[in-house]
Amino acid sequence: AQKVTQAQTEISVVEKEDVTLDCVYETRDTTYYLFWYKQPPSGELVFLIRRNSFDEQNEISGRYSWNFQKSTSSFNFTITASQVVDSAVYFCALSEGTGTASKLTFGTGTRLQVTL
Amino acid sequence: EPEVTQTPSHQVTQMGQEVILRCVPISNHLYFYWYRQILGQKVEFLVSFYNNEISEKSEIFDDQFSVERPDGSNFTLKIRSTKLEDSAMYFCASKPGQRLTGELFFGEGSRLTVL
Repeated sequence: AQKVTQAQTEISVVEKEDVTLDCVYETRDTTYYLFWYKQPPSGELVFLIRRNSFDEQNEISGRYSWNFQKSTSSFNFTITASQVVDSAVYFCALSEGTGTASKLTFGTGTRLQVTL
Repeated sequence: EPEVTQTPSHQVTQMGQEVILRCVPISNHLYFYWYRQILGQKVEFLVSFYNNEISEKSEIFDDQFSVERPDGSNFTLKIRSTKLEDSAMYFCASKPGQRLTGELFFGEGSRLTVL
């Protein structure tokens, strides 16, 4: 069975600090997909990134970057120069490559609080 | 930009009542999902739907739950006899059919409060 662990329940940083959100996953499949979603206070789930298991290249998108390491089953998310608008709950999620409908398994989320 | 829309945004109901949550997925999407998030907890998969039938469901999705795509645009989740523990945010999601996996596009959620 697949599992996603986000050990950090809550993180508080001061604006402009860098912050890394950890994600560790478990799966028996060799083909799988990893995701990060953001849930702002308004409650919706906003897609941030998808990464497949064959692509270990790190990705940078503006202030966001992701570090995928298969050897440690981790898919960590770093926000550089954090801003108050980054305050949200961030969910890491896993989808196995088999099956027809890409069910997502979510972690428990990390609440990020960015203060001035 | 196309989006998944959900109604109602918030519904309060009495225990034992039937509730229908409605979703309009993105129009060319083929896979549809319901997820649930109890307050302060993680998002949990309920059911996936493709080609007018359920493709997968979780243990949470028992006989009290049903889904339907009655008219080619709406996708509904019905809870026949609500329980207190059904109080949660319910998210609808959809996905294009080009590949088996890919990002799901989520609606803004329907908050259900059972009293």
